[in-house]
Amino acid sequence: AQKVTQAQTEISVVEKEDVTLDCVYETRDTTYYLFWYKQPPSGELVFLIRRNSFDEQNEISGRYSWNFQKSTSSFNFTITASQVVDSAVYFCALSEPNAGGTSYGKLTFGQGTILTVHP
Amino acid sequence: NAGVTQTPKFQVLKTGQSMTLQCAQDMNHEYMSWYRQDPGMGLRLIHYSVGAGITDQGEVPNGYNVSRSTTEDFPLRLLSAAPSQTSVYFCASRLTASGNTIYFGEGSWLTVV
Repeated sequence: AQKVTQAQTEISVVEKEDVTLDCVYETRDTTYYLFWYKQPPSGELVFLIRRNSFDEQNEISGRYSWNFQKSTSSFNFTITASQVVDSAVYFCALSEPNAGGTSYGKLTFGQGTILTVHP
Repeated sequence: NAGVTQTPKFQVLKTGQSMTLQCAQDMNHEYMSWYRQDPGMGLRLIHYSVGAGITDQGEVPNGYNVSRSTTEDFPLRLLSAAPSQTSVYFCASRLTASGNTIYFGEGSWLTVV
């Protein structure tokens, strides 16, 4: 069975601080996909990143960066120089491959981390 | 969230009532799914479909029915609403081909009293 754990329930920082959101996953599949989603106060889910299990390169997108380490089954998300607009709930998710192993299927979500950035 | 439309956005039901949450997408996506979001539990998969005429259960299917008569629509039916079904419901869709993004609807807030 798949499992995603986001141990940090809530994080509070002051603007311009860097913050890292932790995500640890469990899966028996050798092929899988990892995701991060942002849910701002308005409620919609915003896709941030998708990473497959064969690609361990870290990724940077503006102030966002992701550190994927298969050895520790972690896919951590860092926001550099946080801003008030980063305040949201962030979800990490894991997907098993579909029956043919060619694509991802059902998502298993972590519990979410509430990030509050104070001005 | 362009392309995945959920209705209604807000609904209050009495215990025992039935209702249907509608989900439609115009992107010709094969894969559609329903999740519920509860505080401290993230999103949990209720039902999913890999194409018209094919549905399967997710993690928390009890109390819900789905059907997929067309590629575009994937309604979620609550047969006899219970307070435990008070939640936020998200519909999602994507192409089944590898590398495609999952698109979520804007959510439906359901309260069962």
